[in-house]
Amino acid sequence: ETGVTQTPRHLVMGMTNKKSLKCEQHLGHNAMYWYKQSAKKPLELMFVYNFKEQTENNSVPSRFSPECPNSSHLFLHLHTLQPEDSALYLCASSQTLASAGQFFGPGTRLTVL
Amino acid sequence: GQQVMQIPQYQHVQEGEDFTTYCNSSTTLSNIQWYKQRPGGHPVFLIQLVKSGEVKKQKRLTFQFGEAKKNSSLHITATQTTDVGTYFCASSSNTGKLIFGQGTTLQVKP
Repeated sequence: ETGVTQTPRHLVMGMTNKKSLKCEQHLGHNAMYWYKQSAKKPLELMFVYNFKEQTENNSVPSRFSPECPNSSHLFLHLHTLQPEDSALYLCASSQTLASAGQFFGPGTRLTVL
Repeated sequence: GQQVMQIPQYQHVQEGEDFTTYCNSSTTLSNIQWYKQRPGGHPVFLIQLVKSGEVKKQKRLTFQFGEAKKNSSLHITATQTTDVGTYFCASSSNTGKLIFGQGTTLQVKP
């Protein structure tokens, strides 16, 4: 499945580094999402974008900064992260906010040292 | 806020046995979605139920939405090793906010 792609697939960073995660969807969808998946925790919604506009920020710390330049691309800028931020970061898209089902990318496995 | 509880957390079955995972909410849900995540993979959308008492089938998978729209179940008949993975229920609002259950991880012994 190549509808939603994410890069990099794996990332190791120090707490003082700045890095960015990239997501691209090739499905013509209008809504895009960032999720965090940690071990032994449910998938946590972080941000929702609809037609490039942020519609949801689920109380995410400011060290995570999303950017959506157009409906096909979504970024997550990371800076001064903590070891507990290590997780799988998943991007998803859907035709509209109310569509049945979201399409997920393969995720970026992030390790913060 | 809205929460979706899912049980059991883990299930080990012998190949050929049936499997069921349950999803419960204290509030009425507008819909219920089911996803499957294979080990090392990402969640893949399976189905959405929206009507009270709705039942849908996909081959060996049967999905039900409770009459009160507060619970749902996924039943797999005669499990196969390809069914291994974590099954998540989730409920969405019209703002796109998807609330996931904790997931049920299924192991199938050949």
